[in-house]
Amino acid sequence: EAQVTQNPRYLITVTGKKLTVTCSQNMNHEYMSWYRQDPGLGLRQIYYSMNVEVTDKGDVPEGYKVSRKEKRNFPLILESPSPNQTSLYFCASSLTRAGRGRNEQYFGPGTRLTVT
Amino acid sequence: TQLLEQSPQFLSIQEGENLTVYCNSSSVFSSLQWYRQEPGEGPVLLVTVVTGGEVKKLKRLTFQFGDARKDSSLHITAAQPGDTGLYLCAGGQAAGNKLTFGGGTRVLVKP
Repeated sequence: EAQVTQNPRYLITVTGKKLTVTCSQNMNHEYMSWYRQDPGLGLRQIYYSMNVEVTDKGDVPEGYKVSRKEKRNFPLILESPSPNQTSLYFCASSLTRAGRGRNEQYFGPGTRLTVT
Repeated sequence: TQLLEQSPQFLSIQEGENLTVYCNSSSVFSSLQWYRQEPGEGPVLLVTVVTGGEVKKLKRLTFQFGDARKDSSLHITAAQPGDTGLYLCAGGQAAGNKLTFGGGTRVLVKP
């Protein structure tokens, strides 16, 4: 089954404690993205990757890091989480650039992060 | 920064009624996508429109892309409780790997 998986689904942590949210896709997609979703703001892109070892900033990259060492995995790293990073996070992948033509972006189930 | 404004933010209607959700921007997009999101899940793509003036139908859902590719609408005819969810529009750009999302419209269809 084609899918994007994220782990963990729920995470409560404290300020400053480094954490990693994993993302994996089994569709051999080149393009992957991380978004955060906050009420009334829709989804905002944090980082994206167009291939292995190729990453770039989205709209809200501050406080986040990513890596793309393998095509299927795109982890999101919070080196020193703060309460304003409490949010719902989604990983997504697509065959080509998001928004190009009728290209479909597949989303994972989300990770709800609370930073106290 | 490109922005997409969705309206209304919340819509509550009775089963069988019609509804329209709007997605507006001052920017031109190369494509416009509509997603539906259920609680506890990621957004799922409903449709993509790429040509100004394009109209696409998906059963009781009708999607339209404005002539100038700056706005879009989603119309649901004879809404059913199964249509309940968060509807998101997202504009695509020709370059990069970016979708700009609207704030979402939460639709509640009561039986």
